[in-house]
Amino acid sequence: DIQMTQSPSSLSASLGDRVTITCRASQTISTYLNWYQQKPGKAPKLLIYDASSLQSGVPSRFSGSGSGTDFTLTITSLQPEDFATYYCQQSYITPPAFGQGTNLEIK
Amino acid sequence: QVQLVESGGGMVQPGRSLRLSCAASGFTFSSFGMHWVRQAPGKGLEWVALIWYDGSNKYYADSVKGRFTISRDNSNNTLYLQMNSLRAEDTAVYYCARRNEGFDYWGQGTLVTVSS
Repeated sequence: DIQMTQSPSSLSASLGDRVTITCRASQTISTYLNWYQQKPGKAPKLLIYDASSLQSGVPSRFSGSGSGTDFTLTITSLQPEDFATYYCQQSYITPPAFGQGTNLEIK
Repeated sequence: QVQLVESGGGMVQPGRSLRLSCAASGFTFSSFGMHWVRQAPGKGLEWVALIWYDGSNKYYADSVKGRFTISRDNSNNTLYLQMNSLRAEDTAVYYCARRNEGFDYWGQGTLVTVSS
């Protein structure tokens, strides 16, 4: 099975900041990497698929990059609604593992 | 619009069974694979099971293999998760999600609590 490791586990940032979250796969997954946002008490929401493709309706301040084993999610100009937990997930092989999550908090 | 609505959760004693349902609407259900994903209280996301669009292939997490069964009824646009021999560690919110480019649509989740 492929393991996904996110860093950092938590992050404090201010409105307007640019933040980057990293995800590393235990083996190469090409660009089969997705990113999700989850707010408390809500279902996850797909932000980015195939490492860098923006899901319909997601603001352009969200972007993804990477291939192979190393990936990043970048949020430019943080907005109040962006404070949430973010998960990466590989879709290269089954089981489709998730990272442990990154909790983005307001500084 | 795409909607996924889970039901069937509740409190159950260890060793007992429960069946979850996920009613789908707003898309051609029979054209998409479907997942179950769970989230224990205060924890991260854990993939549970996958079924192909036509039900021909099914996959399970090691943690539920042999105890849980995923199935679907394409004539009624419904996904199921039969959970047997439930354990305390199965306590979680269970989500159904559509398989596409990523898990592109999710239900609101249904809470399963396994406790004596």
